[in-house]
Amino acid sequence: AQSVTQPDIHITVSEGASLELRCNYSYGATPYLFWYVQSPGQGLQLLLKYFSGDTLVQGIKGFEAEFKRSQSSFNLRKPSVHWSDAAEYFCAVGGMEYGNKLVFGAGTILRVKS
Amino acid sequence: EAGVTQFPSHSVIEKGQTVTLRCDPISGHDNLYWYRRVMGKEIKFLLHFVKESKQDESGMPNNRFLAERTGGTYSTLKVQPAELEDSGVYFCASSSAWTVGEKLFFGSGTQLSVL
Repeated sequence: AQSVTQPDIHITVSEGASLELRCNYSYGATPYLFWYVQSPGQGLQLLLKYFSGDTLVQGIKGFEAEFKRSQSSFNLRKPSVHWSDAAEYFCAVGGMEYGNKLVFGAGTILRVKS
Repeated sequence: EAGVTQFPSHSVIEKGQTVTLRCDPISGHDNLYWYRRVMGKEIKFLLHFVKESKQDESGMPNNRFLAERTGGTYSTLKVQPAELEDSGVYFCASSSAWTVGEKLFFGSGTQLSVL
C-alpha cells in the first residue's frame, strides 16, 4: 500500500534562511510525487511534481524538490524563505493505476520568523 | 476563471444531525474528487466522480456518507447521521482528465465540526 511520511509536524525558519521539508514514501512501483501548499483560507495549490527523468524538479515560487529512489524520499527545498511562504505543505504520491487518487502525508506547518 | 468552490466554509452540527456539503468544480471538469482531513492527520481520498458516475468510492468510510453529482456538474456530500469522528476538513478537487498529474484544482475546504 502507498504511504507518505512527513516527519516534521512544524518547522520554523528565519526569513531569508534556507528550507528543507522532508518527505518519505512507500510505493511498490514507480511513484508519481507531488508537493502541495495550503495557505490559510485557501485550497491546496500544486507546487511541483515528479514523474520521471531529471530527479531535481523545479516548481513555482522558487521551490524545488529532489527525488532519491534509494532513500524513498522527495524533499522540498527553497534557498531563501520569504514570510509569505508560511503555510502548510503536503507531500503526496500517486500512480498510473490509481488515476488522480493521491495519498497524502500529514503535512508540515512552516512558520517564518522575521 | 472561477476555481473550485465549496460551501459552507464552516459547519457546526450536533451528533445525529444531517449535514450536506456542496462542491462546484471548475466548469468543464469531468473529474471531481472528495478528500477528507481528520484531526490534522493525512488528507485521505473519499471518492471520485467522472461526470455523474462514481468511478471509485473506495475511500468512503461507511454508509452514513452519500455523495451525488447531479448532471455531472456540482456535487454534494451528505453525512447522515453525523458522528463525532466525522469532524474534519472536507476538500473537493476537480480536473479535466483522469490521469496522474493532470492538475488537480482544490477548493478551500469545508470545516465540519460535530459536537
